[in-house]
Amino acid sequence: GDSVTQMEGPVTLSEEAFLTINCTYTATGYPSLFWYVQYPGEGLQLLLKATKADDKGSNKGFEATYRKETTSFHLEKGSVQVSDSAVYFCAVWGNTGFQKLVFGTGTRLLVSP
Amino acid sequence: DAGVIQSPRHEVTEMGQEVTLRCKPISGHNSLFWYRQTMMRGLELLIYFNNNVPIDDSGMPEDRFSAKMPNASFSTLKIQPSEPRDSAVYFCASRFTSSDTDEQYFGPGTRLTVT
Repeated sequence: GDSVTQMEGPVTLSEEAFLTINCTYTATGYPSLFWYVQYPGEGLQLLLKATKADDKGSNKGFEATYRKETTSFHLEKGSVQVSDSAVYFCAVWGNTGFQKLVFGTGTRLLVSP
Repeated sequence: DAGVIQSPRHEVTEMGQEVTLRCKPISGHNSLFWYRQTMMRGLELLIYFNNNVPIDDSGMPEDRFSAKMPNASFSTLKIQPSEPRDSAVYFCASRFTSSDTDEQYFGPGTRLTVT
């Protein structure tokens, strides 16, 4: 079945540093890819998505490009802020069989002033 | 729209008691998902419904867990009897199944503590 592998955390950065969180996926067909973010004490919320190869999803300064050749969807941000501290989940939505989101294990980001 | 609504937000109960978690999906959404989140196991999909019908319950940990969706605007997750290892945050999420809109909306979660 579909699966997602993302880098272990926590990722600890200073404010204004560059962020990369790696994500690779396994899925058949042409899945949609997502990044969700979970702030402390809250549910997950969609950060960005891409629905076909070479699409770039972007939101709040975060970007991720759907790379079918490397089956990757790495999350990047050029300059992180303390308020970006959260857990980030990569997810794949397969378009075959029973449709459901498959999440990675999450990567905790800690940004210090 | 108020978003996905879950109740209660916090539940503390003793081992052996019955626990019922409730979810109201976003109006018009036709898929509903129950997840459990723990430090040890991360985010796990327990069960999901499409048009009020359970589609995949392979994530339900054991017979103590049951879920129902009697209508499009309400779902329950019941644990009977509860055990300390059931302590977790339980999330409900909903989605409108279409080719154009894939986003799944999560509720704020119910933090369950079983002592």
